Amino acid sequence: EVLLQQSGAELVRPGSSVKISCKASGYTFTDYYMHWVKQRPEQGLVWIGRINPANGNTVYAEKFKSKATLTADKSSNTAYMQLSSLTSEDTATYFCTSTIAAIPFAYWGQGTLVTVSS
Amino acid sequence: DIVMTQGALPNPVPSGESASITCRSSKSLVYKDGKTYLNWFLQRPGQSPQLLTYWTSTRASGVSERFSGSGSGTYFTLKISRVRAEDAGVYYCQQVREYPYTFGAGTKLELK
Repeated sequence: EVLLQQSGAELVRPGSSVKISCKASGYTFTDYYMHWVKQRPEQGLVWIGRINPANGNTVYAEKFKSKATLTADKSSNTAYMQLSSLTSEDTATYFCTSTIAAIPFAYWGQGTLVTVSS
Repeated sequence: DIVMTQGALPNPVPSGESASITCRSSKSLVYKDGKTYLNWFLQRPGQSPQLLTYWTSTRASGVSERFSGSGSGTYFTLKISRVRAEDAGVYYCQQVREYPYTFGAGTKLELK
């Protein structure tokens, strides 16, 4: 069974950084891209970018190029997203989601709520 | 970036009736391999999005036959037959034809 288990909710200060994780199981981690999606409270879905866990190659949406950094640890089958210079605009739930066997966005993590507040 | 524009539903929708959601893209979603890269998702309150259909009309594993995707080029439709209580939530279309992948703003389905 494919599972994407994300780290817990974070409360962080404005101007700081946060790193959230997504541990994959039930498939070969390095075979498929991992994507990240942002959802602000009561808002829609926004694609942040994706990483190829096999070689670390990344693609970002333009607006997240200086905000998000995607990495992957093959030894622990875990993908990470670091968000920097946090503001209230970054308060959101962040999802990891994987395209497996050419089926896009078939599996999703449970989401990680990041709250930016002083 | 490809802009995805979704239509609204005449909420609330009576249980047992059909509902259709439209989605229009600002550019053709047909790729050079001949496939059309349009996905539909349902996000129920408090849950992660669930993939319903991909490549315009292929149902994801475990998804009810009551959900059917259709369309081509830049115009797409998700039809929900015999609407049930568990179908309530927000529906999103998404293009994965090219980066950056983009979603529609969402269409809310409420049941009567």
